[in-house]
Parts: sequence; C-alpha cells; structure tokens
Amino acid sequence: KAGVTQTPRYLIKTRGQQVTLSCSPISGHRSVSWYQQTPGQGLQFLFEYFSETQRNKGNFPGRFSGRQFSNSRSEMNVSTLELGDSALYLCASSSPGAGTTEAFFGQGTRLTVV
Amino acid sequence: LAKTTQPVSMDSYEGQEVNITCSHNNIATNDYITWYQQFPSQGPRFIIQGYKTKVTNEVASLFIPADRKSSTLSLPRVSLSDTAVYYCLVGEDSGYSTLTFGKGTMLLVSP
Repeated sequence: KAGVTQTPRYLIKTRGQQVTLSCSPISGHRSVSWYQQTPGQGLQFLFEYFSETQRNKGNFPGRFSGRQFSNSRSEMNVSTLELGDSALYLCASSSPGAGTTEAFFGQGTRLTVV
Repeated sequence: LAKTTQPVSMDSYEGQEVNITCSHNNIATNDYITWYQQFPSQGPRFIIQGYKTKVTNEVASLFIPADRKSSTLSLPRVSLSDTAVYYCLVGEDSGYSTLTFGKGTMLLVSP
C-alpha cells in the first residue's frame, strides 16, 4: 500500500508569488490535513478536509487555502508569499471509522521563500 | 484540548531504557493519549496510543496511571536510530487527521 505522497519535495519561490502544494493520501483515506513546521513555531495545524469539505481550520491568515478533490487528493495554496512562510509543509491522512485513529504523514514539501 | 507538557530534551546511551513523561492535567474523559515520533525532515510517525493502564506494542510501552493526568512512553533498549523528537498528544479518538502537537521531546541517543 502506497503511503502519503507529497509533491514537490522542494520548492524555492520569491516573495509575493503564490505556490500550490499537492498531497495524495493513502488509498481509501478521506481525511486529509495540512501542517506547517518551522523551528520557531513547531508543528502547527493548517486545515483538514474530509469528503471535499473543510472540516477544521487552524489559526492562519486567509493567504493559506486548500481544497480536496473527489478522489481525496488535496492541494494547499499560499498566495502573496512572505519570508516567514518558509517551512516544511506536511500532509497527513487518516480513515475515520476504520478502527484505527492513526494519522499517516507524508515526507513533506520544503518551501523556501527568498 | 488538553495541554501537554514534556521535557524539552533527553539524553541516553545505546542499550538503555528511556522513559519520557508527559503531563496532561486537564485531560478529558473522552481523551486518548497518543505518541508520535519524528525524524529530521520527515513527517511524524505514530508510535502508540492508550486510554488507561498499560499498552505495549513491538516498539514501545505506554504507562498511564489511574488519574490519567500524566503518561510515560517507555522505549526499551534504545539504539542510535531512536534519536528523534517524540510528541505526546491528547485528544478524542475521532479518527480524523486534525492533531495538536506540542513542542515535543528531543531524544539524543549516543554510542
């Protein structure tokens, strides 16, 4: 069974640009969440999607958005990039009601804003 | 969500048993205790989850006292590859992927 796949693995963008990151969850998983990890703030929850609907949202500005497709794949978008958006962005998937609460994480996308 | 407190860092040597304690004084009745492990530049990985008493799997043991206000992750006979950050999470066993991470404990295992 393939794990959670995130693309791209590395990305360098310029301030003011926008970026889209992609996440393919484990087959059959319908809950997908996004996290931002920085040395200063640690692992912070961005948002969660379940069955194409945003179920939960963390405390991030509106520049951060996401969506989920009918095949459970998810994308997150950051507009008007700032230097402080440089971080490791992680995606996790899980399968509510499947008898296990374990969330599976991808390898992450390392975003550098210059 | 119950707040958790863990030591910032711990040091150990190969072959030793390591116990990482997490404090969660405001744990709710429906809350479970879950531990994740994270290596640098990788996503966290689930280690173990419990509600009360003791849980053991092939990787670790989780000890939870009767009042559930703390828990201890026990790693038997650690190796260099156990060097990682360990996170204690407390929350309902919903099965969804929304998780609240604290600062975690950086475990350094030396030869």
